[in-house]
Amino acid sequence: DQQVKQNSPSLRVQEGRISILNCDYTNSMFDYFLWYKKYPAEGPTFLISISSIKDKNEDGRFTVFLNKSAKHLSLHIVPSQPGDSAVYFCAASVGPRTGTASKLTFGTGTRLQVTL
Amino acid sequence: DSGVTQTPKHLITATGQRVTLRCSPRSGDLSVYWYQQSLDQGLQFLIQYYNGEERAKGNILERFSAQQFPDLHSELNLSSLELGDSALYFCASSETGFPDTQYFGPGTRLTVL
Repeated sequence: DQQVKQNSPSLRVQEGRISILNCDYTNSMFDYFLWYKKYPAEGPTFLISISSIKDKNEDGRFTVFLNKSAKHLSLHIVPSQPGDSAVYFCAASVGPRTGTASKLTFGTGTRLQVTL
Repeated sequence: DSGVTQTPKHLITATGQRVTLRCSPRSGDLSVYWYQQSLDQGLQFLIQYYNGEERAKGNILERFSAQQFPDLHSELNLSSLELGDSALYFCASSETGFPDTQYFGPGTRLTVL
C-alpha cells in the first residue's frame, strides 16, 4: 500500500522554466512533509519541508505547496537550472503529538531533467 | 557531505550469507534510521533507533536486525540473504527522535548473487 505517491516517474524541463513536481498521499494522519533531492551515487539531501498548519513554504527558488483537502503537495522550482537535474523524493511523517516515532514514508521519486 | 558515514560502500555476497552494514551519524545526532531502496522503489523505512533504544519499526524482515551502540553508531545485520535483498541501504540521522530533517549517508549497495 503506497501511502505516498509520485505518479510522474520523470519530468523534462527547459532551463529557466518552472519545474513542478507533484506528490499525493492517502494517510490523513500525515502532518509533516518534506522534499529530498538525490544525485546518483549519493544519499538523498533535504531540500524543503512544510508542516500541515501551512499551505506554502518558500526557500529561494524552491516553493512547496500543500493542499490538505486534496491530500496533495507540489514542489515548484523557479527558475530551473541544469544543476537541479536529480531524482526528487516526496516524504511524509506523522507528527510527535501522536507519540509515534518519526519514520518518513517516501514516494518512489520523480527524475527531473533540466535541459539547456 | 551530510556528515553521516556508511561502510562499506559496496558489498557483494552470496545467497544464504550474513552481512553487517555500519553507520556513523552526524556529530550530536541521537537518532539513526535505516532505509532500503530496491530497484525502481522509493525508500522503505526499516527501523529507527534513538539514543540506543529502538524507537520505530517499519517493514523490516525478521532476518534483519539492527542496534545502536553507546557511541551512537549503528549496525544493520542482514542474514540468510536472498537475491531480493539486493538494494541500496541508507542510513540517516537526526538530532531528535521527532519528525525533522533527516541527513542521509551515501548508502551501501548490497548485491546478493
